Amino acid sequence: DIQMTQSPSSLSAAVGDRVTITCRASQDISNYFNWYQQKPGKAPNLLIYSVSNLQSGVPSRFSGSGSGRDFTLTIGSLQPEDFATYYCQQTYTTSRTFGQGTKVEI
Amino acid sequence: QVQLRESGPGLVKPSGTLSLTCAVSGGSLSNRNWWSWVRQPPGKGLEWIGEFYYNGATNYNPSLKSRVTISIDKSKNQFSLEVTSVTAADTAVYFCASRPNAPPSAGIDYWGQGTLVTVSS
Repeated sequence: DIQMTQSPSSLSAAVGDRVTITCRASQDISNYFNWYQQKPGKAPNLLIYSVSNLQSGVPSRFSGSGSGRDFTLTIGSLQPEDFATYYCQQTYTTSRTFGQGTKVEI
Repeated sequence: QVQLRESGPGLVKPSGTLSLTCAVSGGSLSNRNWWSWVRQPPGKGLEWIGEFYYNGATNYNPSLKSRVTISIDKSKNQFSLEVTSVTAADTAVYFCASRPNAPPSAGIDYWGQGTLVTVSS
């Protein structure tokens, strides 16, 4: 199994801050990598697929980068509705593991 | 716009079988999509369970593979999850979901609202 390790596990930020979350895969996963946002009591929502492609309807303040084993989600200017938990996921292998999540709090 | 809705018992006894169904509307199970299950124990992160492709291919989480079966019923446009020999560790919100087959790296773009299943006597 490929392990996905996110850092930090949680962070505190203010509205308007630039926020960066990282995810490291235990092996090279090429561009088979996605980011999700989840708010309490809700299903996850796909933000970015294939490392850097913004899912339809997702604000442009979200961006993704990386390759191989190391990937980054950046929120350009944090908005009140962005306080949530963010998960990374690899789809390189047929067991499509998630990271443990990063909670973004005020 | 694909819509997914989970249904099934909210309480299962230990050592029993957890059975859930996901009804699909706004799309067909014969579309070239992967039909998936993901779960989330209370207060914890997401765990990918497995997926089923319209042509019959399946992929499962190795840690659950011996206890999990995903199947589809094209006539009812729904797919199902069975988890056998459940324990309290299987208590979770279970989501049904779907992702496109292309690109191969695609993420899950449709989710059900989730249903809580508690394993308890």
